[in-house]
Amino acid sequence: DAGVIQSPRHEVTEMGQEVTLRCKPISGHNSLFWYRQTMMRGLELLIYFNNNVPIDDSGMPEDRFSAKMPNASFSTLKIQPSEPRDSAVYFCASSPPRDEETQYFGPGTRLLVL
Amino acid sequence: KQEVTQIPAALSVPEGENLVLNCSFTDSAIYNLQWFRQDPGKGLTSLLLIQSSQREQTSGRLNASLDKSSGRSTLYIAASQPGDSATYLCAVNNQGGKLIFGQGTELSVKP
Repeated sequence: DAGVIQSPRHEVTEMGQEVTLRCKPISGHNSLFWYRQTMMRGLELLIYFNNNVPIDDSGMPEDRFSAKMPNASFSTLKIQPSEPRDSAVYFCASSPPRDEETQYFGPGTRLLVL
Repeated sequence: KQEVTQIPAALSVPEGENLVLNCSFTDSAIYNLQWFRQDPGKGLTSLLLIQSSQREQTSGRLNASLDKSSGRSTLYIAASQPGDSATYLCAVNNQGGKLIFGQGTELSVKP
């Protein structure tokens, strides 16, 4: 099993540009989570999906952030327009059915907005 | 609002020492608590999960305890090794899959 796959692993962009982060969960998992990790705020849950439906998006910082899960094997987190304060490591995690607290994390995408 | 605090923020010990990492949380109405390990540049790996009805969990040299009423958990690492060097994060689960994380303790075990 390849685990949770995230791409790209590193992204450097300029302020105002659109950024799209991608995640492929573990096959058979039906919950998917997007987290953001910064030195100041630690690891925060942004949004999570269950069976492709957003369940809790209360952690999404503002309208510049959006997330989609068009099918069980793919999710995107988009930032438009990006700002320097969005610089962070973004993690995707997935969990199996009826076991949402057992989350398997991807390696993360390190985003730097200049 | 649930808040999770970990003390200390960083810890350096010589190899072979037993050590304790601390985690506290403000809302005792939790489903469970987990300890994770994070290596530099990597994602998180779950080490131990304690259900709210349990007092402790053990895995090898790791032992995690939970005192829900006082809002505290400890992670005990016996006979520490350089390979244990990593950041250890505590996370509580109040609702479904929504985990609230502490800031972590960065552990360095010196050979």
